[in-house]
Amino acid sequence: EVQLVQSGAEVKKPGESLRISCKGSEYSFTSYWISWVRQMPGKGLEWMGRIDPSDSYTKYSPSFQGHVTISADKSISTAYLQWSSLKASDTAMYYCARHWNGDSSDWFDPWGQGTLVTVSS
Amino acid sequence: QSALTQPASVSGSPGQSITISCTGTSSDVGGYNYVSWYQQYPGKAPKFMIYDVSKRPSGVSNRFSGSKSGNTASLTISGLQAEDEADYYCSSYTSSSTWVFGGGTKLTVL
Repeated sequence: EVQLVQSGAEVKKPGESLRISCKGSEYSFTSYWISWVRQMPGKGLEWMGRIDPSDSYTKYSPSFQGHVTISADKSISTAYLQWSSLKASDTAMYYCARHWNGDSSDWFDPWGQGTLVTVSS
Repeated sequence: QSALTQPASVSGSPGQSITISCTGTSSDVGGYNYVSWYQQYPGKAPKFMIYDVSKRPSGVSNRFSGSKSGNTASLTISGLQAEDEADYYCSSYTSSSTWVFGGGTKLTVL
């Protein structure tokens, strides 16, 4: 079964750094992109950016460019989302999703189980 | 980059059909056939329901269907069942080579 397994919940203070992970299994990790999606408490989904694990090319939403960094280590089939200085407004659930865009087709599937990030002093 | 516009809520009785709209612009929904739909239960990760406007992945009930006219895409659920009660989100590729989601629609089965 194709799966994305994300790292566990985090509680951080403002100004701290953080990296969360998303490990793919049972598929060719370099054949699909990984997208990251934010869901703030009680709110909708927001696309943050994506990475092509085969060459680490990234594309960010203008809303998140410069605020987060997406990376990947194809040797261990893992993608990352990181912050250098967290803010309280970064409190949210973060999902990774396997992302296919090719052959005139585009979709996100499957999704990771989500990583809850809480930033509070 | 603005979210696609979805109604905040829709409702229907068991057995009825409902349609959820997703309105964008010619730079996203209207310009590409890369609209997909996701179902999300409270506290759960989204689930992939429709892709490329109207295609259904294997395992998704044929009660779910998608369509598009101009800058508006739609998700129709026929033969409503209690288990369909969830939040639904549309997504579209954009001319900036980014992706955008709708604000989400809460479906209530009366």
